[in-house]
Amino acid sequence: EVQLLESGGHWVQPGGSLRLSCAASGFDFSFYGMSWVRQAPGKGLEWVSIISESGGTTYYADSVKGRFTISRDNSRNMLYLQMNSLRAEDTAMYYCAFDFWGQGTLVTVSS
Amino acid sequence: DVVMTQSPLYLPVTLGQPASISCRSSQTFVYADGNTYLNWVQLRPGQSPRRLIYKVSNRDSGVPDRFSGSGSGTDFTLRISRVEAEDVGFYYCMQATHWPPWTFGQGTKVEIK
Repeated sequence: EVQLLESGGHWVQPGGSLRLSCAASGFDFSFYGMSWVRQAPGKGLEWVSIISESGGTTYYADSVKGRFTISRDNSRNMLYLQMNSLRAEDTAMYYCAFDFWGQGTLVTVSS
Repeated sequence: DVVMTQSPLYLPVTLGQPASISCRSSQTFVYADGNTYLNWVQLRPGQSPRRLIYKVSNRDSGVPDRFSGSGSGTDFTLRISRVEAEDVGFYYCMQATHWPPWTFGQGTKVEIK
């Protein structure tokens, strides 16, 4: 059974940093590109970032470019999102996803 | 970016009756392999998002056969043949052909009348 388990979401002040993690199991993780997608309260889905199977290629939404960094560790079946210079508008549920989606981890940016 | 526009945004339905959600894209998005990467994603209250349909009309494993997808070009449709109570939630179309970025429709909220 495919499982994606996100963690690391928390309350943080504007300007702060967080690192989200996604533990993958039940499939060959190294064969798939992986994405982060977020949903702000009361809003729709917004794609955030994607990383290639090897980790050698990454892309970001304009809204997070220069502040967020996606990475992966194929030896541990882990996906990460390093989030720096956080803003109130980054408040959202963050999901890791490919063909399947995780349950999400909540990030709240507020003073 | 490819803009995805859904309608309606709110869909009250009667149990056992059919329902239909439309998704229109700002341009066609056929990949070099000939496939159109148009997916439908379901978000039910308290549950993880789930992909229901991929490449326009292919049902994911475990998805009830009352869900079907169709369309081509810039017009796509998700149909539920007979709505059940567990179908309440939000439905999003998304394109994954011309990325980055993946782009999503605004979402359609399905409720029982």
